[in-house]
Amino acid sequence: LAKTTQPISMDSYEGQEVNITCSHNNIATNDYITWYQQFPSQGPRFIIQGYKTKVTNEVASLFIPADRKSSTLSLPRVSLSDTAVYYCLGGLWGGANNLFFGTGTRLTVIP
Amino acid sequence: DAGVTQSPTHLIKTRGQQVTLRCSPKSGHDTVSWYQQALGQGPQFIFQYYEEEERQRGNFPDRFSGHQFPNYSSELNVNALLLGDSALYLCASSLEGLAGHTGELFFGEGSRLTVL
Repeated sequence: LAKTTQPISMDSYEGQEVNITCSHNNIATNDYITWYQQFPSQGPRFIIQGYKTKVTNEVASLFIPADRKSSTLSLPRVSLSDTAVYYCLGGLWGGANNLFFGTGTRLTVIP
Repeated sequence: DAGVTQSPTHLIKTRGQQVTLRCSPKSGHDTVSWYQQALGQGPQFIFQYYEEEERQRGNFPDRFSGHQFPNYSSELNVNALLLGDSALYLCASSLEGLAGHTGELFFGEGSRLTVL
C-alpha cells in the first residue's frame, strides 16, 4: 500500500507560487503519483499525474526526483479559488484499493 | 457530456435502517468505484465494479454491498446503519482501458448520509 505523508495545512497569499511536498517512501516500481483537488462538499478533481522527473499542465507542475520517494506539486500564482484540500496519491490505477488518499493538505489562499 | 451523477444528494436515516445510493458514470466509462469520506478525512475506498462484478474491495464490512448494471450505473447498499456510517459517499468512474496508464478518476458530487 503506497501510503503518503503531506503537511496538514498551508497558507499562502494570492499571486504567490505554492509548493506542496508529499512523501511516499514505499512507492512501488509501477506506481504513479497523482494529485487531486477537493473543494468542500464536492468530489475530488484530478490535477496532475506523473511517474518521474517533471510534468506540467495548464494548472500545475509536478516534480518527482530520481528516487521517487517524494514529489512536489507546484501551483503558480495561486488565487482565492485555489483554496481547497490537495491529496497526493501513490498507486497503480489498476489496483484501485491501493489508492490511499490520506488526509490531504488544506491550502488556504489569503487575499 | 454529462459527468458522474449521484443520487440522492442528501438523506437522513436512523440506526438499523438500510440505504441505497445510486451513481451514473461519466459517458463512455465502464468502471465505478465507491468511496466513503468522513468529515475532515480523505476518501476511503469501499469497492470497485467492472463488468457487473465487484473487482476489488477495501476494508469495509459485508454490510456494504453494491451492484453494477449493464448500462454501467451502480448502486451502493448499506444495511444495519450505524452512527459511524454518517459520511459523504463518493462515486468515481473511469475507463478500464486506461487502467495502469492514468489514475484519473472522475468523481461525482457525492451523497451525504446522516445516520441518527
